[in-house]
Amino acid sequence: AQSVTQLGSHVSVSEGALVLLRCNYSSSVPPYLFWYVQYPNQGLQLLLKYTSAATLVKGINGFEAEFKKSETSFHLTKPSAHMSDAAEYFCAVKKGGTASKLTFGTGTRLQVTL
Amino acid sequence: DAGVIQSPRHEVTEMGQEVTLRCKPISGHNSLFWYRQTMMRGLELLIYFNNNVPIDDSGMPEDRFSAKMPNASFSTLKIQPSEPRDSAVYFCASSLEGAAYEQYFGPGTRLTVT
Repeated sequence: AQSVTQLGSHVSVSEGALVLLRCNYSSSVPPYLFWYVQYPNQGLQLLLKYTSAATLVKGINGFEAEFKKSETSFHLTKPSAHMSDAAEYFCAVKKGGTASKLTFGTGTRLQVTL
Repeated sequence: DAGVIQSPRHEVTEMGQEVTLRCKPISGHNSLFWYRQTMMRGLELLIYFNNNVPIDDSGMPEDRFSAKMPNASFSTLKIQPSEPRDSAVYFCASSLEGAAYEQYFGPGTRLTVT
C-alpha cells in the first residue's frame, strides 16, 4: 500500500525566507507524487506533480520539488516566501499503472510572518 | 472549462434530515471522487467512480451514506439520516483515469448538522 508522511503539521517562515515542506513516501512500486495547496475556504489546487520524467519538478507560484528515490522523499521548496503563500499544503501519492486513487498526507500549515 | 461544480456551497440542516450534495465533474473526465474534510480526521476519501461505476467505497462511514453517478456529468452524495458528527466540508474531485493524471477539486460543500 502507498502512503505519505508529512513532517511538521505547522511551519512558520519569515517573508523572503526559504520554504521547505517535507514529504516522505512509501510505495512498493514506482510512485506518482503530487503536491496540492489549499487556501482558506477553498478546494485543493495542484501545485506540481512527479510522473517519472525529470526528478526536479517545477510548479506554479515559484514552487518546486525534487524526487529522491534513495531517500523516498519529495520535499517542496520555494526560495523566497510571500505572504500569499500562507495556506495548507498536502503531499499525495498514487501507485503506477491505471490507479486513480490518491493517498494524501495529513497536511502542513504554512504561516508566513513579516 | 468551469471546473468541478458543487452545490450547495453551504448546507445547514437538523439532525435526522436527509441531505443531498451534488457534483458536476469536468467534461471529459471519467473518474470522480468524494472526500470529507474535518479538523479531527483531515481529508478522507469516501468513494470513487470510474466510468460511472463505483470502484472503492471502503471510506463510506456507514449505511447512512450513499453515492450515485447516474451519468458522466452528475453525481450525488446522500446522507440519510444526518447526524451532528457528519458536519464537515465535502469535496468532489474529478480526473482522467490513470496514475499520471491529477485530480481537480471543486470548492466544497460546508455541511452543518445541528
